[in-house]
Amino acid sequence: DVKVTQSSRYLVKRTGEKVFLECVQDMDHENMFWYRQDPGLGLRLIYFSYDVKMKEKGDIPEGYSVSREKKERFSLILESASTNQTSMYLCASSLGGAHSETQYFGPGTRLLVL
Amino acid sequence: GQQVMQIPQYQHVQEGEDFTTYCNSSTTLSNIQWYKQRPGGHPVFLIQLVKSGEVKKQKRLTFQFGEAKKNSSLHITATQTTDVGTYFCAGHEGAQKLVFGQGTRLTINP
Repeated sequence: DVKVTQSSRYLVKRTGEKVFLECVQDMDHENMFWYRQDPGLGLRLIYFSYDVKMKEKGDIPEGYSVSREKKERFSLILESASTNQTSMYLCASSLGGAHSETQYFGPGTRLLVL
Repeated sequence: GQQVMQIPQYQHVQEGEDFTTYCNSSTTLSNIQWYKQRPGGHPVFLIQLVKSGEVKKQKRLTFQFGEAKKNSSLHITATQTTDVGTYFCAGHEGAQKLVFGQGTRLTINP
């Protein structure tokens, strides 16, 4: 079974803090994704990566950056957290190649920015 | 860019009633996927449809992909309490990234 883990289930940070969200997958997947989930808006793609050290902007990259130094790990960084970044953050991975593959999601990190 | 709209946003049914959620894309999709997210959980892949007019069944769940490959539906027959959750469709347009619908949250009165 594919396992995608995220470093924290719940996180509380203050405005202006730098926040790191970590995601690790154990199935040697090429592709990794970061989404945020908000009520009524579904899942919106922040950033994705198809290879180590490679990243692509998704639909809502503003205020975020990512890092993929190793194949199994994809980090989401909030350089200076703001209250409008309070959300559920979901990491996902897929095998590789075409986009049309199943995505496997981690348990999510619920971030509250005060 | 590609938009995927899903309706209704919420649906409450009595246990045993049927349920349907609809997904519409602004552009032709190469394929469509459906995911289910249980309350407090994360999205889990259910199925992928690729061919125009394709119909697939998983027990009480029936998935359809429109002839024009711009819409899809998920129908659940005789809902059970285990069906509670949010159902998402997600579509690809060619080689582009996966775009999710807003989801339909299903609640069931036992």
